Amino acid sequence: AQTVTQSQPEMSVQEAETVTLSCTYDTSESDYYLFWYKQPPSRQMILVIRQEAYKQQNATENRFSVNFQKAAKSFSLKISDSQLGDAAMYFCAYRRERGSTLGRLYFGRGTQLTVWP
Amino acid sequence: KAGVTQTPRYLIKTRGQQVTLSCSPISGHRSVSWYQQTPGQGLQFLFEYFSETQRNKGNFPGRFSGRQFSNSRSEMNVSTLELGDSALYLCASSLGTIVGIYNEQFFGPGTRLTVL
Repeated sequence: AQTVTQSQPEMSVQEAETVTLSCTYDTSESDYYLFWYKQPPSRQMILVIRQEAYKQQNATENRFSVNFQKAAKSFSLKISDSQLGDAAMYFCAYRRERGSTLGRLYFGRGTQLTVWP
Repeated sequence: KAGVTQTPRYLIKTRGQQVTLSCSPISGHRSVSWYQQTPGQGLQFLFEYFSETQRNKGNFPGRFSGRQFSNSRSEMNVSTLELGDSALYLCASSLGTIVGIYNEQFFGPGTRLTVL
């Protein structure tokens, strides 16, 4: 079964600084997607960034970038120039690219990010 | 384009009652997935529907059921409510998960269910 582990329940960062959130996962598949979702206090789940496993290049979206290490099954999120609006719970998630459960997301337990002014 | 909508947003029930939650996907989306979010268990997959057919099911008891209508709207039902069913129930819609094609899943705002 696919498992996603986030070892940091809480993280904090000063505004304008950089923070990295960690995620590891376990799978026997070779084709899959990895995601970082943000859930602010409104509870609306928002996709931050995704990575296709077959792509060697790390995904970037403005201030958000990932460090994808396929062999190590590691997928960290770096937030640069942190802003107060980045404060939220961040979830790492996995989704298979093929097979009977390909529509299902497997989530980690989340990392609560606090941003200090 | 309107986003995913869930109704009601908040619900209070008592043990033993049943409840029905509704999810309206983004127009044109045919896949709807449901997730339960609790502080203790985190985010857990309930089921996924595609074109009125249940395609995937998570490890929940038979008290949890769902269905999807021809307009892709989905409902989930929980019978004989227990205190532990108190949770945020999220649904997500997408065009459909197809091998080799990425379709983003968009989440609704959730329904907060409290069981007393």
